[in-house]
Amino acid sequence: AQKITQTQPGMFVQEKEAVTLDCTYDTSDPSYGLFWYKQPSSGEMIFLIYQGSYDQQNATEGRYSLNFQKARKSANLVISASQLGDSAMYFCAMRGHSSGNTPLVFGKGTRLSVIA
Amino acid sequence: GAGVSQTPSNKVTEKGKYVELRCDPISGHTALYWYRQSLGQGPEFLIYFQGTGAADDSGLPNDRFFAVRPEGSVSTLKIQRTERGDSAVYLCASSLSEFSADTQYFGPGTRLTVL
Repeated sequence: AQKITQTQPGMFVQEKEAVTLDCTYDTSDPSYGLFWYKQPSSGEMIFLIYQGSYDQQNATEGRYSLNFQKARKSANLVISASQLGDSAMYFCAMRGHSSGNTPLVFGKGTRLSVIA
Repeated sequence: GAGVSQTPSNKVTEKGKYVELRCDPISGHTALYWYRQSLGQGPEFLIYFQGTGAADDSGLPNDRFFAVRPEGSVSTLKIQRTERGDSAVYLCASSLSEFSADTQYFGPGTRLTVL
């Protein structure tokens, strides 16, 4: 079984500052992928970034980067230069790769509020 | 190109009624997923299709829930004898293939309210 834990129900960040959203995971699958999604108030889940468990480098995508620490089973999302439009719910999710196609398992999310 | 679309965006029904929720995936995407998101929670997996067949329906909560994808494109999630506990946002996602590293792209969801 796979499990995602997001311990921060809510976070505040000043505009233009960087913020880290925490995500820890648990899996017995030796190969897996980690995903982050953003869900604004409109409800749509927007894909942000992906990290494979065997990727040598941490993933980056524009202002988003993933701080992947495999030994600690953590995959924190770092958002640099926060913007007001970054205010949303953020979900960490994972899938195992070794057992065929498995569904995404999501955490409970973190609500990020960017303050002007 | 167009993203995943879902209709209706909102559905209000009475306890005991039957509802159908529709998902139109991104063109060319062969894998389609249904999730349910309750208030304050992350999405939870319901069922996944590869082509026309349900490859994994282990997340369906009971036999009142059923989904089809007859032509390998549009999918319909069907809920019989709705209960108040079925109230949630139902999300559909699609991916290019069933390869597990493929990104799943989500639609805007259908908010179901059972009175």
